[in-house]
Amino acid sequence: EDQVTQSPEALRLQEGESSSLNCSYTVSGLRGLFWYRQDPGKGPEFLFTLYSAGEEKEKERLKATLTKKESFLHITAPKPEDSATYLCAVERSTPFGTGTSLTVIP
Amino acid sequence: DAGITQSPRHKVTETGTPVTLRCHQTENHRYMYWYRQDPGHGLRLIHYSYGVKDTDKGEVSDGYSVSRSKTEDFLLTLESATSSQTSVYFCAISSSTRVPRVFGPGTRLTVL
Repeated sequence: EDQVTQSPEALRLQEGESSSLNCSYTVSGLRGLFWYRQDPGKGPEFLFTLYSAGEEKEKERLKATLTKKESFLHITAPKPEDSATYLCAVERSTPFGTGTSLTVIP
Repeated sequence: DAGITQSPRHKVTETGTPVTLRCHQTENHRYMYWYRQDPGHGLRLIHYSYGVKDTDKGEVSDGYSVSRSKTEDFLLTLESATSSQTSVYFCAISSSTRVPRVFGPGTRLTVL
């Protein structure tokens, strides 16, 4: 059964403390992995699409990478405004991952 | 969000009553989706549409039906609401992939 698992469930960082979020998947024939950001009370906002192992995408302090089994969302020198829940999904009718709730403390 | 709206934004109803949620897009995207989001479960796909009058079930479709008579509108109906359908419902759209690119603001539904 196709599955997407995110870790950790929650992450607290000091402002400026870099870290990574993980999204592992068990999907045959991956056709795309997607990252989103969700703020409380709002719908998810699309961040990145990755299609093949080795691919990387960047946006401000965020960089997403992809291997054959997992994707990482690296956050460099985070700021409080990066606090949100980060979700990943793959291009199938599988559920989204349950997300990582990131809190960046000033 | 720009290009996609949901109505109503909040609704409280009683068990056994019918409920219809509306999603409207101005982007002319082919795919439209309905998800529900619950603590501990993440986003789960209810139904999706790949064109006018073309719909298919997602993983949690029991108790829900959908209709799409126009490109811009996708309706989600709970024929007889139950307390287990209390949730936040998101509509989403995409132009070419089977994973949504833009989400609506959500509808918070409470079934008493």
